[in-house]
Amino acid sequence: GESVGLHLPTLSVQEGDNSIINCAYSNSASDYFIWYKQESGKGPQFIIDIRSNMDKRQGQRVTVLLNKTVKHLSLQIAATQPGDSAVYFCAENNAGNMLTFGGGTRLMVKP
Amino acid sequence: NAGVTQTPKFRILKIGQSMTLQCTQDMNHNYMYWYRQDPGMGLKLIYYSVGAGITDKGEVPNGYNVSRSTTEDFPLRLELAAPSQTSVYFCASSSQPGLAGGGGGTDTQYFGPGTRLTVL
Repeated sequence: GESVGLHLPTLSVQEGDNSIINCAYSNSASDYFIWYKQESGKGPQFIIDIRSNMDKRQGQRVTVLLNKTVKHLSLQIAATQPGDSAVYFCAENNAGNMLTFGGGTRLMVKP
Repeated sequence: NAGVTQTPKFRILKIGQSMTLQCTQDMNHNYMYWYRQDPGMGLKLIYYSVGAGITDKGEVPNGYNVSRSTTEDFPLRLELAAPSQTSVYFCASSSQPGLAGGGGGTDTQYFGPGTRLTVL
């Protein structure tokens, strides 16, 4: 079936470096994508979203890139900080009001 | 605003027991959702509601029931708890479908802190 997946289950980066978390999706009809951050013991927290009519969107220290040709989504975090350590999920809307979540990537920031 | 609140935070059930997980949001959101998250996994949608009196099944509805009598509350009911229902349960809400052209879209979902349920 349609699914959202991630390439890397764990990403380890040095503090201050940039991080890139990738996500592949399979449903070309998906029109809305979200990145969530989940810290240990907490619920997912919205980071940034992007509609399918855009290919890039920037927030504070974060950028989401959408490549519809290859059905690829990425989250870029600039100047990664220890507080960025968490599990990051991408999610896509492909059926009305429902989101399909990927399996998550754990980001570990080394001091 | 408190956002989305969930109670209890933790619960241990015996097989066959029943319980209700409570979820309340104070953002006047029409859409509410229940997810479960198994260890090391992503979230799977159990049930969702597009407004008071309207509910629909998600990806994994078996063993659960929901009701939506008010805009604010969306309780999740487990009637006969099974070990397979050991998980962390998250409630979420959103305002309305997204504004992008080309069909439906879910606006940003705001999540509660979760309920950790263990069935022994």
